[in-house]
Amino acid sequence: ETGVTQSPTHLIKTRGQQVTLRCSSQSGHNTVSWYQQALGQGPQFIFQYYREEENGRGNFPPRFSGLQFPNYSSELNVNALELDDSALYLCASSSDGFMNTEAFFGQGTRLTVV
Amino acid sequence: GESVGLHLPTLSVQEGDNSIINCAYSNSASDYFIWYKQESGKGPQFIIDIRSNMDKRQGQRVTVLLNKTVKHLSLQIAATQPGDSAVYFCAERIQGAQKLVFGQGTRLTINP
Repeated sequence: ETGVTQSPTHLIKTRGQQVTLRCSSQSGHNTVSWYQQALGQGPQFIFQYYREEENGRGNFPPRFSGLQFPNYSSELNVNALELDDSALYLCASSSDGFMNTEAFFGQGTRLTVV
Repeated sequence: GESVGLHLPTLSVQEGDNSIINCAYSNSASDYFIWYKQESGKGPQFIIDIRSNMDKRQGQRVTVLLNKTVKHLSLQIAATQPGDSAVYFCAERIQGAQKLVFGQGTRLTINP
């Protein structure tokens, strides 16, 4: 167990809808990174939140957005869902913007867009 | 550009044998590397890491080797067990960046 929890574990949405995924970071960690993992692929970096601010972004469109709360938990929001958004969404917890510590992943949220 | 790749997409070994999973990376500015194990339906599980100022690091039954000259990383698993069956990813962090760059993974299968 990493202490990183994600909810929900599975979700089915319709194309065009919006979705919010949640992540609670490991105790003592102030940084949350989000990754998208398509079937059979390695995780792809979406963005990172450090002390409630976005601290780096991957090659994802603006309809992927996020938040980090004072307790360092985080949300990933995806608007106008597309079929290709179907994937496992992972959050990773670390400290200090992931400069000095390992990154521990949660179990992921499996999103299916139909 | 950034890329992390794996030489072998699948690896099958006998239970009790040693396994070696290889990984190539292309960015010489990468300063930190992690091996993750991912079982079906689960998130990646941290196995072992190594910083670019080291060339070897050992954990429990696992050893990571880093060859910066040829930009190569390997994970050695000693005395493999059925529970070692999973997909293994290497990931690199480019110095100063916030993200990990993952390869596609190697599926390790342990035969009884």
